[in-house]
Amino acid sequence: DTGVSQDPRHKITKRGQNVTFRCDPISEHNRLYWYRQTLGQGPEFLTYFQNEAQLEKSRLLSDRFSAERPKGSFSTLEIQRTEQGDSAMYLCASIPSSSQGGYTFGSGTRLTVV
Amino acid sequence: AQSVTQLDSHVSVSEGTPVLLRCNYSSSYSPSLFWYVQHPNKGLQLLLKYTSAATLVKGINGFEAEFKKSETSFHLTKPSAHMSDAAEYFCVVSDTSGTYKYIFGTGTRLKVLA
Repeated sequence: DTGVSQDPRHKITKRGQNVTFRCDPISEHNRLYWYRQTLGQGPEFLTYFQNEAQLEKSRLLSDRFSAERPKGSFSTLEIQRTEQGDSAMYLCASIPSSSQGGYTFGSGTRLTVV
Repeated sequence: AQSVTQLDSHVSVSEGTPVLLRCNYSSSYSPSLFWYVQHPNKGLQLLLKYTSAATLVKGINGFEAEFKKSETSFHLTKPSAHMSDAAEYFCVVSDTSGTYKYIFGTGTRLKVLA
C-alpha cells in the first residue's frame, strides 16, 4: 500500500467548466476526509465519509460541490461551474474509524481556475 | 467549539539552534492535538500527536511537543534546526464529537538560515 493517492496533481480549468478530482484512500481506512487549502492558510474541512455514507458537509461546500464515495472505496469531489475563488489545493485524508491517531494525507490536487 | 492559534506566522532560526513554534488551543473537552509539516508542493506529514497519554510527546525528525493544560498550549520544539526543517508547520486540534474532523491553525513558516 502506497498511502493516499490523489489524481490529478494539478488541474487548470476555465471559469464555468466542471472538474472532478479522485482520491484513493488506504484500503483498510473507513473514514475519508476532504479539505481545501488556499494560499497562506491552513486547510479547511469540506466533508467526510464513513464507508460510503457522507456524514457531514461544511457550509463551505456550496451546491456547486458534490462528493461521493461509492462502495466505500475511492472518493470523487466534483465542482460544477467553477469560479476563480475555487482555486485552491484540495486535500484528501483517510483514517481507520476506530483510530484517534493522525490522518494520512494525500499530496493534494492543485486547482487553478482562469 | 475547538480552535487553535499559532502565535507566529514566520519564524527564522540559524542552523544548529533550537526551534520553538508556538500553539495555543481552545477545547471544551480533553483535546487530541497534532503537529503536521508541509514542504513546498507536498502533502501534509504527521510529526507527532497528543491523545491524552504522556504530556511530552516525541515525534519524527527530533521534534517534540509538550501538552500544558494549565496554559492551553502545545508548543513544538527541536533542539537543533537542520536546513531540511524549513517548511510550513500546522498545529491541529481534532473535533471530539466523534467526527475526528480537524481544525487547523493558520500555520508557521519556518526558515532555517545557514
